[in-house]
Parts: sequence; C-alpha cells; structure tokens
Amino acid sequence: AQSVTQPDIHITVSEGASLELRCNYSYGATPYLFWYVQSPGQGLQLLLKYFSGDTLVQGIKGFEAEFKRSQSSFNLRKPSVHWSDAAEYFCAVGAYNNNDMRFGAGTRLTVKP
Amino acid sequence: EADIYQTPRYLVIGTGKKITLECSQTMGHDKMYWYQQDPGMELHLIHYSYGVNSTEKGDLSSESTVSRIRTEHFPLTLESARPSHTSQYLCASSDRDRGNNEQFFGPGTRLTVL
Repeated sequence: AQSVTQPDIHITVSEGASLELRCNYSYGATPYLFWYVQSPGQGLQLLLKYFSGDTLVQGIKGFEAEFKRSQSSFNLRKPSVHWSDAAEYFCAVGAYNNNDMRFGAGTRLTVKP
Repeated sequence: EADIYQTPRYLVIGTGKKITLECSQTMGHDKMYWYQQDPGMELHLIHYSYGVNSTEKGDLSSESTVSRIRTEHFPLTLESARPSHTSQYLCASSDRDRGNNEQFFGPGTRLTVL
C-alpha cells in the first residue's frame, strides 16, 4: 500500500531564508505527487503537482519541488520565505485514475521576522 | 479558483444529536470525497463517490453516512454524534475525465461534540 512520510513535524525559518520541506513516498506504480498548503481555518490549496516529464516542477507562490525516483522523494523548496508562507504543508501521492490518494501528516512552517 | 463550499464552517453540538455537514461544488466534478483531519495526523478518507448514486466507504472506519443524489451535492450525516466525532471534516472533488486525481478542497467544517 502506498504511504507518505513527512519527517519534519514543525520547521521554523527566518523571513528571507530558504526553505526545504521533505517528503518521502512509498508507491508500487508510477506516482502522481502533490504538495498542498493549508492556512489556519482553511481547506487545502494545491501548490504544485508532478505527473511526468521534467522532474523539477514549478508551482504557485514561488514554490518548486523536485521528483527523485531513486530516493522516492518529492521535496518542496522556496528560495526566500515570506511571513505569509506560515502554514501547514501536506505532501500527497496518488496514481492515474486511482481513487486512493494518500496524504502525509503535514509539516507546520513558522516564519520568524 | 476552486468552487467547493462547505457549511457550516464551525459546529458545536451535544452528544446524541443528528447532524448533516453540507458540501457542494460548482465545477461539475464526478468524484467527491470526505476526509477527516486531526492535528498532526494525515488526512483520512472516510467516504467517496464516483458520481450520482455511487458511494463508497474509505479506509477509515466511520459511523457517518453519505448520499449523492445530485452531482454537485455530497452531504455527510452523523445519526448520533459523540465526542469521538470531534474533528475537522474536509470535502474535496476531482474531475474523473482528467484521470490525474487532482483534488480540490473546500474550507472544512470544524465539529465539536460536547
């Protein structure tokens, strides 16, 4: 069965610093990978997704993620964090036309002034 | 911009009450989902639907039920609420024709059962 691990429960970075959130997945087929962001009291918003092709994908709000099949990873990055990026971030894995999408437990990002 | 709505956004009720959480989407998506979300935990799928008159249980056992009489509407009902049902409930939808399973989420309902 597929699973997603986000090793970091909570990360604190200073505003303007770079950010990397880790995501490791376990999936038997070709994975579809997603990163979502959730602000307090809100639902999940899609940041970016990977289905095929270029392994470096660009998303909204200046985020990018790199798919590394050999490491079963899909880490999220941002070169310079803004205070408004403080939120919970979820990595998810699914497959083509498959209802079974799995989410990680999330990483909470705090941004220091 | 995703057009998926959930009401109420917050609900505090007493044990034993019957409640219905509403979810509607205006995107014409065939697939709809209900997730339960607790702090520090992954989202757990409790129900899903492939279309009208189709409902399935997810991987998390739940005492709730769902119905799908119209494409745009996917309500979740708890016949007798208990404190263990206290949680955040997220509704989502996806376009079956696209096949990539990208899901669009509503803002959630935070339920507290006293």
